[in-house]
Amino acid sequence: EIVLTQSPGTLSLSPGERATLSCRASQSVSSKFLAWYQQKPGQSPRLIMFGASSRATGIPDRFSGSGSGTDFTLTISRLEPEDSAIYYCQQFINSPLTFGGGTKVEIK
Amino acid sequence: EVQLVESGGDLVQPGGSLRLSCAASGFMFSSHGMNWVRQAPGKGLEWVSGISGSGGNTYYADSVKGRVTISRDNSKNTLYLQMNSLRVEDTAVYYCAKLRGIMVVLYDAFDTWGPGTTVTVSS
Repeated sequence: EIVLTQSPGTLSLSPGERATLSCRASQSVSSKFLAWYQQKPGQSPRLIMFGASSRATGIPDRFSGSGSGTDFTLTISRLEPEDSAIYYCQQFINSPLTFGGGTKVEIK
Repeated sequence: EVQLVESGGDLVQPGGSLRLSCAASGFMFSSHGMNWVRQAPGKGLEWVSGISGSGGNTYYADSVKGRVTISRDNSKNTLYLQMNSLRVEDTAVYYCAKLRGIMVVLYDAFDTWGPGTTVTVSS
């Protein structure tokens, strides 16, 4: 099983600041098989990035993804209040599909 | 509009059974693999099971293997999860989720999620 470790656990930033979220895999994952999801309180998760760097439909361009191998990053270039959420990475290169533990982004 | 709506969640005693359903609309259901993902109270996401568009391929997490069966009825655009021998640790919100790609069996991102249905296992 591929274990995904996300850091930091919580990120507290002001509007307009840059957020950098990390996802580290226990073994190499092709970037094609890495996704990021956003989950707001009381809501179901929402796909924001697939293939490590491709934005899903309707996702603003302040969200970007990068990485390869075992290290992946989700960047929110200019935080907006509505970006407050928990962000999860996911690998689907093999079964069982696994998610990281999540990074909570708080807007001050 | 692509839509998924889960149902069937309930309060059940340990050792009991439950069948969850997920009604799909707005897309060619039989062309997409489908999955169940759960989230225990205050916890992260856990993939539970997946099934190919035809239903011929199924996949399970070790935590539920042997107790859970995923299936689908493409004539009714509905996904199911039969859960037996339920344990307290199965308590969670259960989401159904659609694979992004067409004719992809399992290995793809989940581009649509339902609102979830709550399963509580308690005596």
